[in-house]
Amino acid sequence: QSALTQPPSASGSPGQSVTISCTGTSSDVGGYYFVSWYQQHPGKAPKLMMYEVSKRPSGVPDRFSGSKSGNTASLTVSGLQAEDEADYYCSSYAGSNTVLFGGGTKLTVL
Amino acid sequence: QVQLVESGGGVVQPGGSLRLSCAASGFTFSNYGMHWVRQVPGKGLEWVALIKYDGTDEYPGSVKGRFSLSRDNSKNTLSLQMNSLRPDDTAVYYCAKEGYGGYGCFDFWGQGTLVTVSS
Repeated sequence: QSALTQPPSASGSPGQSVTISCTGTSSDVGGYYFVSWYQQHPGKAPKLMMYEVSKRPSGVPDRFSGSKSGNTASLTVSGLQAEDEADYYCSSYAGSNTVLFGGGTKLTVL
Repeated sequence: QVQLVESGGGVVQPGGSLRLSCAASGFTFSNYGMHWVRQVPGKGLEWVALIKYDGTDEYPGSVKGRFSLSRDNSKNTLSLQMNSLRPDDTAVYYCAKEGYGGYGCFDFWGQGTLVTVSS
């Protein structure tokens, strides 16, 4: 099993929208609606931002949204704010109780 | 509130063993799957182990046969026994609680414990 593919970097100006992609295969992203997204600030533990493709945990702003098409999932951050600058990781259930992560995307707010 | 506190990290020689622990509080521990996820400093996340509420465990190929996860529901603790350690096992190891029905969703994480495998 290989890691999911994410772009290494993404950027946008305050107030803009940015979308981060996460590409897998039919055995993981494409095969299940169990894609999650995590935000990680430097030196901190990851924080769950999205689960089951498009569901937001309590407390996550509705500026964050998720979607999936085929083998690619996406996280969109609208109305970018300075505090959104962080690393973002996707993960997907890959069957047989296993989980795959993406390589991570560094989001820069210009 | 949910708290996960890892301990047991440190420096170990290649081929050595180490046991990590995770103390959980703030939720009914016995009802949830628990995981370990590791991160090489400056790199991405890698799922390392799962133990379900019923004790079923699972590992990726990179650690299968070397790592073993157990849980003590009476003490709300999780233990990861790591044997035959290699330099590429060097990472921060996070304990994570399964949430929202499971299937790879981790809703709470500990702060991590650093494991360094080096001679």
